[in-house]
Amino acid sequence: AQKITQTQPGMFVQEKEAVTLDCTYDTSDPSYGLFWYKQPSSGEMIFLIYQGSYDQQNATEGRYSLNFQKARKSANLVISASQLGDSAMYFCAMRDYGGATNKLIFGTGTLLAVQP
Amino acid sequence: ETGVTQTPRHLVMGMTNKKSLKCEQHLGHNAMYWYKQSAKKPLELMFVYSLEERVENNSVPSRFSPECPNSSHLFLHLHTLQPEDSALYLCASSQGSIITDTQYFGPGTRLTVL
Repeated sequence: AQKITQTQPGMFVQEKEAVTLDCTYDTSDPSYGLFWYKQPSSGEMIFLIYQGSYDQQNATEGRYSLNFQKARKSANLVISASQLGDSAMYFCAMRDYGGATNKLIFGTGTLLAVQP
Repeated sequence: ETGVTQTPRHLVMGMTNKKSLKCEQHLGHNAMYWYKQSAKKPLELMFVYSLEERVENNSVPSRFSPECPNSSHLFLHLHTLQPEDSALYLCASSQGSIITDTQYFGPGTRLTVL
């Protein structure tokens, strides 16, 4: 069965520094998708970045980049130049191809606190 | 700006009450989802609708009853809930239900069952 593991319950980072949030996954399917979402205290899940298993290059979206290491089954999120507004929960998720629907499996999340 | 709205944002109800959660998407998507987010647990998918047809029910108790009257609206009808049903309920939508579609979430309804 597919599984997402986020081993860092909480992280601190100084403003303007880079931070890496870890995510490992487990699947036997050769074709899958990996997502990162941000959840501020307001509750909304905000889509950040997507990486397909066949993508040749690591995904990037502004200050977000995904360090995709397929052999190690890891998909770490890198946030460069952290800002105070980056303080939030961050969830890694994977597309589940076990069923016919667009089903996401989420990790337990990492709480990021950006310090001034 | 969010293309998915949810009302109410907060709801407190007794175990004998009947209430409904509403979700509306303004993105022209064809698929809509209900998720439950409990404290210290990963998000759990509850229901999936594609083109107004329910395509997945993830073993959700019958006290939760979804309704999708059209592709823009999704409801979750609640009745005789338990205190353990207290959670953040998130609605999401996607263009379709194919594997590359990204899901976009609403702000959630924080439900407390007394």
